[in-house]
Amino acid sequence: DAKTTQPPSMDCAEGRAANLPCNHSTISGNEYVYWYRQIHSQGPQYIIHGLKNNETNEMASLIITEDRKSSTLILPHATLRDTAVYYCIAAFWSYQLTFGKGTKLSVIP
Amino acid sequence: SAVISQKPSRDICQRGTSLTIQCQVDSQVTMMFWYRQQPGQSLTLIATANQGSEATYESGFVIDKFPISRPNLTFSTLTVSNMSPEDSSIYLCSVEGDRLRSGNTIYFGEGSWLTVV
Repeated sequence: DAKTTQPPSMDCAEGRAANLPCNHSTISGNEYVYWYRQIHSQGPQYIIHGLKNNETNEMASLIITEDRKSSTLILPHATLRDTAVYYCIAAFWSYQLTFGKGTKLSVIP
Repeated sequence: SAVISQKPSRDICQRGTSLTIQCQVDSQVTMMFWYRQQPGQSLTLIATANQGSEATYESGFVIDKFPISRPNLTFSTLTVSNMSPEDSSIYLCSVEGDRLRSGNTIYFGEGSWLTVV
């Protein structure tokens, strides 16, 4: 699986959009980009995934660059409940997920 | 997404004992997985629980230490054997989602917090 690089931490004001970057410069053509988050003491929660096209669901949007070397997870209106560690994972199959250290997002009132 | 229930949610165990964690899913799933998350660390895949055959273990994990059962398509157990304080972790069950509805993704249970004293 391709290695991903994420900033260790980020802050975001409540109500504003949270934009979480992820670099995956060695991603191969058939590897998906997955995003999960883990709120303290809970199991990871699936957010979104994509291959080439931008994706949107009720939780977030995923913007993947045309060369697929990086992506951004967007939480459009961050709330305090979005405070969590966010993991960006590049993987061929979903069950081959290798979790890195992720980005600790703190939503500030 | 599948509803995944794990038992126990939390336990304190004595050194040298063994504990079995149960994972129940509300629908039949092909792929079930067990992860470990040590304090302050990220998740590490222990093994894939295969229905009707032995589990497939990742490097660094062995069957004698982490025996796994998968008697049917909705249930699996992970046993942590001969526990030591280093086994204090969150143990997480995960399952593959319905590919037709959710595409290529997996879902996690809430985890089982084990503290070994």
